[in-house]
Amino acid sequence: DTGVSQNPRHKITKRGQNVTFRCDPISEHNRLYWYRQTLGQGPEFLTYFQNEAQLEKSRLLSDRFSAERPKGSFSTLEIQRTEQGDSAMYLCASSVPGWYNEQFFGPGTRLTVL
Amino acid sequence: KQEVTQIPAALSVPEGENLVLNCSFTDSAIYNLQWFRQDPGKGLTSLLLIQSSQREQTSGRLNASLDKSSGRSTLYIAASQPGDSATYLCAVRGRDDKIIFGKGTRLHILP
Repeated sequence: DTGVSQNPRHKITKRGQNVTFRCDPISEHNRLYWYRQTLGQGPEFLTYFQNEAQLEKSRLLSDRFSAERPKGSFSTLEIQRTEQGDSAMYLCASSVPGWYNEQFFGPGTRLTVL
Repeated sequence: KQEVTQIPAALSVPEGENLVLNCSFTDSAIYNLQWFRQDPGKGLTSLLLIQSSQREQTSGRLNASLDKSSGRSTLYIAASQPGDSATYLCAVRGRDDKIIFGKGTRLHILP
Protein backbone atom coordinates (compact mmCIF):
# COMPACT_ATOMS: atom_id res chain seq x y z
CA ASP A 1 0.00 0.00 0.00
CA THR A 2 1.59 3.29 -1.06
CA GLY A 3 -0.93 5.65 0.50
CA VAL A 4 -0.61 7.85 3.57
CA SER A 5 -0.66 5.82 6.77
CA GLN A 6 -1.39 6.93 10.33
CA ASN A 7 -0.89 5.18 13.63
CA PRO A 8 -2.56 4.47 15.89
CA ARG A 9 -6.00 4.51 14.30
CA HIS A 10 -7.68 4.97 17.66
CA LYS A 11 -6.38 6.29 20.96
CA ILE A 12 -8.23 6.56 24.25
CA THR A 13 -6.48 8.42 27.03
CA LYS A 14 -7.21 10.05 30.32
CA ARG A 15 -7.16 13.79 30.74
CA GLY A 16 -3.70 15.06 31.55
CA GLN A 17 -1.82 12.29 29.73
CA ASN A 18 0.48 12.88 26.78
CA VAL A 19 -0.20 11.25 23.42
CA THR A 20 1.78 10.97 20.20
CA PHE A 21 0.53 10.17 16.72
CA ARG A 22 2.53 9.18 13.70
CA CYS A 23 2.01 9.89 10.02
CA ASP A 24 3.89 8.22 7.18
CA PRO A 25 3.39 10.15 3.94
CA ILE A 26 3.53 8.83 0.43
CA SER A 27 7.19 8.37 -0.36
CA GLU A 28 8.72 11.27 -2.27
CA HIS A 29 6.00 13.63 -1.05
CA ASN A 30 7.99 16.37 0.61
CA ARG A 31 4.98 18.28 1.95
CA LEU A 32 3.09 16.95 4.94
CA TYR A 33 0.02 18.49 6.57
CA TRP A 34 -1.87 17.94 9.82
CA TYR A 35 -5.59 18.68 10.21
CA ARG A 36 -8.00 18.26 13.10
CA GLN A 37 -11.68 17.41 12.75
CA THR A 38 -14.12 17.69 15.63
CA LEU A 39 -17.57 16.14 15.60
CA GLY A 40 -19.90 17.70 13.05
CA GLN A 41 -17.22 19.98 11.61
CA GLY A 42 -14.97 19.88 8.60
CA PRO A 43 -11.25 19.32 9.09
CA GLU A 44 -9.22 22.37 10.11
CA PHE A 45 -5.60 23.05 9.21
CA LEU A 46 -3.08 22.72 12.04
CA THR A 47 0.40 22.83 10.52
CA TYR A 48 2.49 21.75 7.57
CA PHE A 49 6.05 20.79 6.71
CA GLN A 50 8.18 20.99 3.64
CA ASN A 51 10.80 18.33 4.14
CA GLU A 52 11.85 18.74 7.78
CA ALA A 53 10.97 22.44 8.02
CA GLN A 54 7.73 23.39 9.72
CA LEU A 55 6.50 26.25 7.55
CA GLU A 56 3.28 27.28 9.20
CA LYS A 57 1.31 26.70 12.37
CA SER A 58 -2.33 27.53 12.91
CA ARG A 59 -3.46 29.46 15.96
CA LEU A 60 -5.42 26.28 16.76
CA LEU A 61 -2.09 24.68 17.64
CA SER A 62 -1.69 25.64 21.28
CA ASP A 63 1.61 25.32 23.11
CA ARG A 64 0.54 21.86 24.28
CA PHE A 65 0.81 20.65 20.69
CA SER A 66 4.08 19.98 18.94
CA ALA A 67 4.75 18.47 15.54
CA GLU A 68 8.02 17.23 14.15
CA ARG A 69 9.34 15.76 10.95
CA PRO A 70 12.94 15.13 11.86
CA LYS A 71 14.22 13.49 8.69
CA GLY A 72 11.72 14.84 6.25
CA SER A 73 9.90 11.54 6.05
CA PHE A 74 7.41 10.55 8.76
CA SER A 75 5.94 13.09 11.15
CA THR A 76 4.75 12.96 14.74
CA LEU A 77 2.14 15.07 16.46
CA GLU A 78 2.35 15.17 20.25
CA ILE A 79 -0.27 16.54 22.58
CA GLN A 80 0.82 17.19 26.14
CA ARG A 81 -1.52 17.33 29.13
CA THR A 82 -4.52 16.32 27.04
CA GLU A 83 -7.88 17.95 27.64
CA GLN A 84 -11.35 16.70 26.77
CA GLY A 85 -11.54 19.37 24.09
CA ASP A 86 -8.67 17.65 22.29
CA SER A 87 -10.97 14.75 21.41
CA ALA A 88 -11.10 14.74 17.62
CA MET A 89 -9.97 13.01 14.46
CA TYR A 90 -6.42 13.98 13.54
CA LEU A 91 -5.80 13.75 9.81
CA CYS A 92 -2.53 13.78 7.95
CA ALA A 93 -2.06 14.54 4.26
CA SER A 94 0.93 14.68 1.94
CA SER A 95 1.72 16.13 -1.46
CA VAL A 96 4.46 17.32 -3.71
CA PRO A 97 4.73 21.12 -4.02
CA GLY A 98 2.83 22.78 -6.80
CA TRP A 99 -0.61 24.27 -7.00
CA TYR A 100 -1.87 21.51 -9.25
CA ASN A 101 -0.78 18.72 -6.93
CA GLU A 102 -3.41 17.02 -4.85
CA GLN A 103 -3.10 16.49 -1.11
CA PHE A 104 -3.64 12.81 -0.28
CA PHE A 105 -5.19 12.07 3.09
CA GLY A 106 -4.51 9.26 5.52
CA PRO A 107 -7.21 7.36 7.42
CA GLY A 108 -6.85 9.52 10.52
CA THR A 109 -6.26 8.91 14.22
CA ARG A 110 -9.32 9.21 16.42
CA LEU A 111 -8.46 10.55 19.86
CA THR A 112 -10.83 10.24 22.80
CA VAL A 113 -9.88 12.01 26.00
CA LEU A 114 -11.82 10.78 29.03
CA LYS B 1 -10.34 34.90 5.17
CA GLN B 2 -11.71 32.04 3.07
CA GLU B 3 -15.00 30.55 4.26
CA VAL B 4 -16.67 27.50 2.75
CA THR B 5 -20.37 26.87 3.23
CA GLN B 6 -22.28 23.75 2.33
CA ILE B 7 -26.01 23.59 1.88
CA PRO B 8 -27.98 21.66 2.94
CA ALA B 9 -26.42 20.42 6.16
CA ALA B 10 -28.39 17.19 5.86
CA LEU B 11 -30.41 15.56 3.13
CA SER B 12 -32.55 12.43 2.89
CA VAL B 13 -33.74 11.19 -0.49
CA PRO B 14 -35.28 7.96 -1.75
CA GLU B 15 -33.05 5.54 -3.59
CA GLY B 16 -32.81 6.14 -7.31
CA GLU B 17 -33.24 9.90 -7.22
CA ASN B 18 -30.76 12.35 -8.64
CA LEU B 19 -29.51 14.95 -6.18
CA VAL B 20 -27.37 18.07 -5.96
CA LEU B 21 -25.15 19.19 -3.12
CA ASN B 22 -24.07 22.81 -2.97
CA CYS B 23 -20.87 24.47 -1.89
CA SER B 24 -19.99 28.16 -1.83
CA PHE B 25 -16.74 29.93 -1.00
CA THR B 26 -15.97 33.57 -0.31
CA ASP B 27 -12.55 34.05 -1.94
CA SER B 28 -12.34 33.13 -5.61
CA ALA B 29 -8.52 33.07 -5.58
CA ILE B 30 -8.30 29.32 -5.33
CA TYR B 31 -6.07 26.71 -6.93
CA ASN B 32 -8.62 23.95 -6.89
CA LEU B 33 -11.78 22.63 -5.31
CA GLN B 34 -12.22 19.09 -4.12
CA TRP B 35 -15.16 16.96 -3.04
CA PHE B 36 -14.59 14.27 -0.43
CA ARG B 37 -16.71 11.53 1.02
CA GLN B 38 -16.46 10.60 4.69
CA ASP B 39 -18.12 7.60 6.29
CA PRO B 40 -18.87 7.78 10.03
CA GLY B 41 -15.69 7.61 12.10
CA LYS B 42 -13.53 7.19 9.01
CA GLY B 43 -11.03 9.25 7.04
CA LEU B 44 -11.56 11.15 3.81
CA THR B 45 -12.04 9.63 0.38
CA SER B 46 -11.36 12.01 -2.50
CA LEU B 47 -14.13 11.94 -5.08
CA LEU B 48 -13.37 14.70 -7.56
CA LEU B 49 -10.82 17.48 -7.84
CA ILE B 50 -11.45 20.45 -10.10
CA GLN B 51 -8.54 22.73 -10.95
CA SER B 52 -9.26 26.46 -11.01
CA SER B 53 -9.03 26.50 -14.81
CA GLN B 54 -11.61 23.73 -15.18
CA ARG B 55 -15.38 23.92 -15.15
CA GLU B 56 -16.30 20.37 -14.22
CA GLN B 57 -15.13 16.86 -13.52
CA THR B 58 -16.98 13.57 -13.84
CA SER B 59 -16.45 10.17 -12.30
CA GLY B 60 -19.08 7.50 -12.80
CA ARG B 61 -22.37 8.75 -11.36
CA LEU B 62 -20.72 11.86 -9.92
CA ASN B 63 -20.34 15.21 -11.62
CA ALA B 64 -18.85 18.27 -9.98
CA SER B 65 -18.98 21.75 -11.43
CA LEU B 66 -17.04 24.87 -10.53
CA ASP B 67 -17.95 28.50 -11.11
CA LYS B 68 -14.97 30.27 -9.62
CA SER B 69 -16.17 33.79 -10.34
CA SER B 70 -19.36 33.30 -8.38
CA GLY B 71 -17.71 31.16 -5.71
CA ARG B 72 -19.91 28.13 -6.22
CA SER B 73 -19.61 24.42 -6.83
CA THR B 74 -22.16 21.66 -7.08
CA LEU B 75 -21.84 17.91 -6.74
CA TYR B 76 -24.42 16.02 -8.73
CA ILE B 77 -25.10 12.40 -7.85
CA ALA B 78 -27.14 10.43 -10.37
CA ALA B 79 -29.33 7.46 -9.55
CA SER B 80 -28.53 7.51 -5.84
CA GLN B 81 -27.94 4.24 -3.98
CA PRO B 82 -28.01 3.38 -0.25
CA GLY B 83 -24.24 2.97 -0.42
CA ASP B 84 -23.97 6.68 -1.23
CA SER B 85 -25.04 7.49 2.33
CA ALA B 86 -22.18 9.43 3.91
CA THR B 87 -21.02 12.95 4.67
CA TYR B 88 -19.81 14.89 1.64
CA LEU B 89 -17.22 17.58 2.22
CA CYS B 90 -16.29 20.41 -0.09
CA ALA B 91 -12.80 21.89 0.23
CA VAL B 92 -10.92 24.68 -1.52
CA ARG B 93 -7.17 25.01 -1.78
CA GLY B 94 -5.97 28.55 -1.60
CA ARG B 95 -2.76 30.11 -2.79
CA ASP B 96 -1.33 29.71 0.70
CA ASP B 97 -1.52 25.97 0.01
CA LYS B 98 -3.96 25.31 2.86
CA ILE B 99 -7.19 23.46 2.32
CA ILE B 100 -10.31 25.02 3.82
CA PHE B 101 -13.20 22.65 4.33
CA GLY B 102 -16.92 23.16 4.64
CA LYS B 103 -18.83 21.47 7.43
CA GLY B 104 -20.26 18.91 5.08
CA THR B 105 -23.63 17.63 3.95
CA ARG B 106 -24.88 14.46 5.67
CA LEU B 107 -26.59 12.42 2.98
CA HIS B 108 -28.98 9.57 3.73
CA ILE B 109 -30.36 7.50 0.87
CA LEU B 110 -33.55 5.75 1.83
CA PRO B 111 -33.85 2.18 0.50
